Amino acid sequence: DAKTTQPPSMDCAEGRAANLPCNHSTISGNEYVYWYRQIHSQGPQYIIHGLKNNETNEMASLIITEDRKSSTLILPHATLRDTAVYYCIVSLGGADGLTFGKGTHLIIQP
Amino acid sequence: GAVVSQHPSWVICKSGTSVKIECRSLDFQATTMFWYRQFPKQSLMLMATSNEGSKATYEQGVEKDKFLINHASLTLSTLTVTSAHPEDSSFYICSAATGVVWQETQYFGPGTRLLVL
Repeated sequence: DAKTTQPPSMDCAEGRAANLPCNHSTISGNEYVYWYRQIHSQGPQYIIHGLKNNETNEMASLIITEDRKSSTLILPHATLRDTAVYYCIVSLGGADGLTFGKGTHLIIQP
Repeated sequence: GAVVSQHPSWVICKSGTSVKIECRSLDFQATTMFWYRQFPKQSLMLMATSNEGSKATYEQGVEKDKFLINHASLTLSTLTVTSAHPEDSSFYICSAATGVVWQETQYFGPGTRLLVL
């Protein structure tokens, strides 16, 4: 079973920031938080990952709470192409297979 | 960078035949590759972990004699669905791991849609 809990769906207006929450209250000290997204009928796309510090790259920002029990993925300026299912996954990284939950279906509204 | 390809992108076959799916890391070497399966309206499920030069590790409930995995090089892993049946129809997706040691990231291929008639 997935070790994360995400809302099943969210809407966001185009051009606004999309904030996707994830709860991972049982995360262990050496597990990372990874975010992927899957656009319909495609393979998942890596977005970002982090351990305990906040992270930012060209796609998104990842905010991890101090107790590491939850995190938020932020897409700063959502576009219609960001409509996808977003998966929050905790993993040891490396040779560890990923356990996908049901994710959040993010719908960007024009 | 970190591009993974799969071939074919889709395949239709008759029941009882075997189908081979290739997964390649195009711009990096991957000691470990993974195979996932996704049924309609469901999430991805890990089938097996493929390590270069050694036998694959299969998840519980996945028949190793039905889903043959070969990871002959650092850039190629193949999945062969033997004696395919309609219930094997699914979206098969591979991934390859690369990056900083102990926090490698998996990059996914575009997937292969298999339809068994």
